[in-house]
Amino acid sequence: DIVMTQTPLSSPVTLGQPASISCRSSQSLVFRDGTTHLSWLHQRPGQPPRLLIYKISNRFSGVPDRFSGSGAGTDFTLKISRVEAEDVGVYYCMQATQFPYTFGQGTKLEIK
Amino acid sequence: QVQLVESGGGVVHPGGSLRLSCAASTFVFSNYAMHWVRQAPGRGLEWVAVISYDAKNKYYADSVKGRFTISRDNSKNTLFLQMISLTAEDTAVYYCARINEHIDTFDIWGLGTMVTVSS
Repeated sequence: DIVMTQTPLSSPVTLGQPASISCRSSQSLVFRDGTTHLSWLHQRPGQPPRLLIYKISNRFSGVPDRFSGSGAGTDFTLKISRVEAEDVGVYYCMQATQFPYTFGQGTKLEIK
Repeated sequence: QVQLVESGGGVVHPGGSLRLSCAASTFVFSNYAMHWVRQAPGRGLEWVAVISYDAKNKYYADSVKGRFTISRDNSKNTLFLQMISLTAEDTAVYYCARINEHIDTFDIWGLGTMVTVSS
């Protein structure tokens, strides 16, 4: 199984300041067609996860442009340029390159 | 609005069984592979199972293999998860999720249904 490791697990951030979350996979996430099936999800308390970023760096419909994704191979990063109050919650990276699909442990973003 | 609504959760004794359903609406259900993902209380996300759009292919997490069965009824736009031999470790919110093969990830999630295995 591909192990997804996120850092940090907790991130206290001041409103308006940037935030960054790293995700490392135990093996390359490049699919046989050359695409990389790495996505980022956001989950608020009591709600289901929602998609933010797909294929490393593509923002899903309706996702604000303060969210950006980058990386390649086994190392990936989610950045929030200026944190807003609605951004609190837990962020997960996820790989859909091979079964079983796996998730990072989650990074809890909270406001200082 | 594209929607997935799970049902069938509840409290069950260890060793018991439960069948979850996921009703899909406002999209062509039969065009999409579908998944179940679960989340134990206070824990992260765990992928459970997938079924192809035509039900010909199914894959399971090792933790549920042999105990859970994923199925679908495309005529009723409904996904199922039959669970037997349940243990406390199966206690979780169970989400159904649609895989969008154009973006290779889950684009739609249901609200989830809670399964509690307890004596």
